[in-house]
Amino acid sequence: QQQVKQSPQSLIVQKGGISIINCAYENTAFDYFPWYQQFPGKGPALLIAIRPDVSEKKEGRFTISFNKSAKQFSLHIMDSQPGDSATYFCAASKDLGRLYFGRGTQLTVWP
Amino acid sequence: DGGITQSPKYLFRKEGQNVTLSCEQNLNHDAMYWYRQDPGQGLRLIYYSQIVNDFQKGDIAEGYSVSREKKESFPLTVTSAQKNPTAFYLCATIQTGGAGQPQHFGDGTRLSIL
Repeated sequence: QQQVKQSPQSLIVQKGGISIINCAYENTAFDYFPWYQQFPGKGPALLIAIRPDVSEKKEGRFTISFNKSAKQFSLHIMDSQPGDSATYFCAASKDLGRLYFGRGTQLTVWP
Repeated sequence: DGGITQSPKYLFRKEGQNVTLSCEQNLNHDAMYWYRQDPGQGLRLIYYSQIVNDFQKGDIAEGYSVSREKKESFPLTVTSAQKNPTAFYLCATIQTGGAGQPQHFGDGTRLSIL
């Protein structure tokens, strides 16, 4: 059973637009929700993360929105740029233990 | 420079052959993980180790083996029992007990069948 479900599988956005990727989880014990960005041939790198005691976290153009009651969280990329084209993974863990990953979203930002 | 080194970057396996993927870290992190990445499948956990000389199976451990004799090293062996080994393999580390410590990843090894 997949612990974290991610959508969409792929996303195409025009430069300057907003990219939105959604994730849902089942285990209410999860207490750490990171997003990773991966470029081809590279390992994933942490982009931004949130704890369930806040509903939103913003770092530059990247924002996580968190809805504890709905068990959902999402990544918003404002003013999307071609350099943002990558695969994005959401994940969840409990007590900073093993991470459960979504299946990834391939984002393409075209000029 | 602190980080995780995976080698080789590309690896080819013949039928019936065991191959070993290397993962070395100088971050002094306690826990180390091996993931397998296939297109559209996300990252699936193979094995993990939270302390030297101890490791646990992940979700897809069949056909793989690991050892953790040193804190810095967590090699993964893909055995001949793994019938579909072609994938991108990622090693990661995390400092257990740290508040908000992210999981760090190496740059992966791509394994293909000859």
